[in-house]
Parts: sequence; structure tokens; C-alpha cells
Amino acid sequence: SAVISQKPSRDICQRGTSLTIQCQVDSQVTMMFWYRQQPGQSLTLIATANQGSEATYESGFVIDKFPISRPNLTFSTLTVSNMSPEDSSIYLCSVSDREHFGSGTRLTVV
Amino acid sequence: QKEVEQNSGPLSVPEGAIASLNCTYSDRGSQSFFWYRQYSGKSPELIMSIYSNGDKEDGRFTAQLNKASQYVSLLIRDSQPSDSATYLCAVGGSQGNLIFGKGTKLSVKP
Repeated sequence: SAVISQKPSRDICQRGTSLTIQCQVDSQVTMMFWYRQQPGQSLTLIATANQGSEATYESGFVIDKFPISRPNLTFSTLTVSNMSPEDSSIYLCSVSDREHFGSGTRLTVV
Repeated sequence: QKEVEQNSGPLSVPEGAIASLNCTYSDRGSQSFFWYRQYSGKSPELIMSIYSNGDKEDGRFTAQLNKASQYVSLLIRDSQPSDSATYLCAVGGSQGNLIFGKGTKLSVKP
């Protein structure tokens, strides 16, 4: 079973800046997923990251705001760009076994 | 747009009672269904998956699926205070992703 290491675990950022979140999986996986969990809400899929191709974004999420890299089968990054307080959320990565999630990144934008 | 609906609760049950959590989904073609438990500040933890109509039991947990009614439920027998958490119902997407409901907050009172 996959073990996913996600970092940073939390950060407080100034509006207008960017934060890059990293997820490292201990085995090769085809698909990785990035979710956002806004305060008091459930998880919403941001995008699907497939190695060797551009990420596929869900409605309401765009590449300029949430650029994703997937350089190999064990690693992915999500960048939250030009942040505003509305971006304050928990961001989680996951893999296609639907069992394992990263530990989450709690982002606060001030 | 695939949707998953849950009562947000909170659902409060006494210790030792049965907690019943319900979920409906909009996509009749959905094939896989999941229940997660999420403690505050933590990542979701998979409790159970179910793919076929009927009941599936694992310890104190029973998942029930009725595809004709597009309905999934989770029963927790002999509820314990440690079961107090938010329970997320999710439907599997075609790419290995998940579509989550908003979650039901369960409180088990000693």
C-alpha cells in the first residue's frame, strides 16, 4: 500500500504570493489527485496529475492559478499562485487506490 | 455534474447505540462507493468500500448499497466516543478520483 509524504504541513502566506506543495509517494503510481478542503467543507477535486501529460483540471480550477507538475511516477507538486484569503484551505494529495491521502497542507493567507 | 448528498448533521447518539449515516448519489452509472472517517485536522481514513448491492460488514461497521435507489448507508454498531468524527461518503470517478459528499458530523455521547 502507498505511503504519501506531503509538505509543508502548514503555512501562513501573504496575499499575492505563491506556495508550492509537494507530495512524494513511496511507490510508482499512474494518477495523482489534488483536492481542496475549504473550512467546514468536504473535499473538492482540483485536478488529476498524470505523468507525462498536462494535468486535467476540474470546473472552476485553472492552470494559471493552480499549476501542477508531475515529473515522475512518484512525485507531484501543486502551486497555489497569487494567493488571496479565499485560498485558505487544506490541500490534500491522493492516489488512485482511493485509500491513501497525504497528511494535508493547511494554508492560511493573510 | 455528479453529486453526492449527505445530511450534514450533527448526528448525536449515545454510547453503545447504532449510528446510521446516509448518502445518495446522482450518477446512476456509478460503480464504486466509499465511506471515510475524518477527525478534525486529519486526512480522511478509509473505513469501507462497497461495489455490489446489499450489505458488507467489517467489525462494527456495515455498509449498505442500493443502486436502484442510488443510496448508500453506513451503520456503526456499539458506537464509541472515539467514533466521533465527520463521515464522508464518496463515489468513485472514472479516473480513480473521488466525488465526496459534504460529510456528516457524528457525536457519540458517553
